[in-house]
Amino acid sequence: EAQVTQNPRYLITVTGKKLTVTCSQNMNHEYMSWYRQDPGLGLRQIYYSMNVEVTDKGDVPEGYKVSRKEKRNFPLILESPSPNQTSLYFCASSPSGTGWETQYFGPGTRLLVL
Amino acid sequence: DQQVKQNSPSLSVQEGRISILNCDYTNSMFDYFLWYKKYPAEGPTFLISISSIKDKNEDGRFTVFLNKSAKHLSLHIVPSQPGDSAVYFCAASARNQGGADGLTFGKGTHLIIQP
Repeated sequence: EAQVTQNPRYLITVTGKKLTVTCSQNMNHEYMSWYRQDPGLGLRQIYYSMNVEVTDKGDVPEGYKVSRKEKRNFPLILESPSPNQTSLYFCASSPSGTGWETQYFGPGTRLLVL
Repeated sequence: DQQVKQNSPSLSVQEGRISILNCDYTNSMFDYFLWYKKYPAEGPTFLISISSIKDKNEDGRFTVFLNKSAKHLSLHIVPSQPGDSAVYFCAASARNQGGADGLTFGKGTHLIIQP
C-alpha cells in the first residue's frame, strides 16, 4: 500500500529537549516536505526536499532542521523545542515531474511542547 | 505577509446547491494553483489544480476558475454533497518562474454541507 508514515503520531515533551519526528514514504518519491498546521494560520511549509541531499527552507523554517540522506526518509528535527512549536505536523511526498497534484500527506503528528 | 488568502473561515451550503470557495493571492510569481481537501484527523488530499496558462479546469463536480488579472481563483462544487464537508485549502506555487519550488497555503475554509 502506497503511504507516507510519520512517527510518533502524538508527542508531549518539555522545552529544550531535542526531538525527531520521522517521515518515511514507500513510493520512491523525489519530493518531500514538512508542514505545520495551526488554528487560523492554515498549513505552512517548514522545509522541503527536491531529492536526496537537496533541501530548502519553506515559509517557517526557524527552529527546525531536516536531512535527506535517503530517498524514502525525511526526518524533522527540533534541536531545542519551544512552546510556540506546539502544532500539528504533516509530512508529504510527491514524484518528480508530476508536480504537487500527486502529493501524498501523512496522517500527522500532534506535538505539545510544555 | 500572507501571500495566499482565504478570507472566509467557514461556509455553509445546502445539499444539492453550489459551493463557491474563494482564494486570493498577492505574489505575481505564482503560476500554479491547487486545492486540497482535509477531513479531521487526516492529512490533506489533492483535489484539483490549474496552471496560469488556463482560466478554467474541470473535474467532475469540481471546477476551478482562475482570474490572473484579479489574482483570484475560486473552487466551485456542484452539486454539493454531505461528503464534501471538510476544510479546503488553496495553495500556490511559483514552479515555472524560477522562484522557490515550495508550496504556499491559505488558511483554509471550513465547508459545511447542510442536509
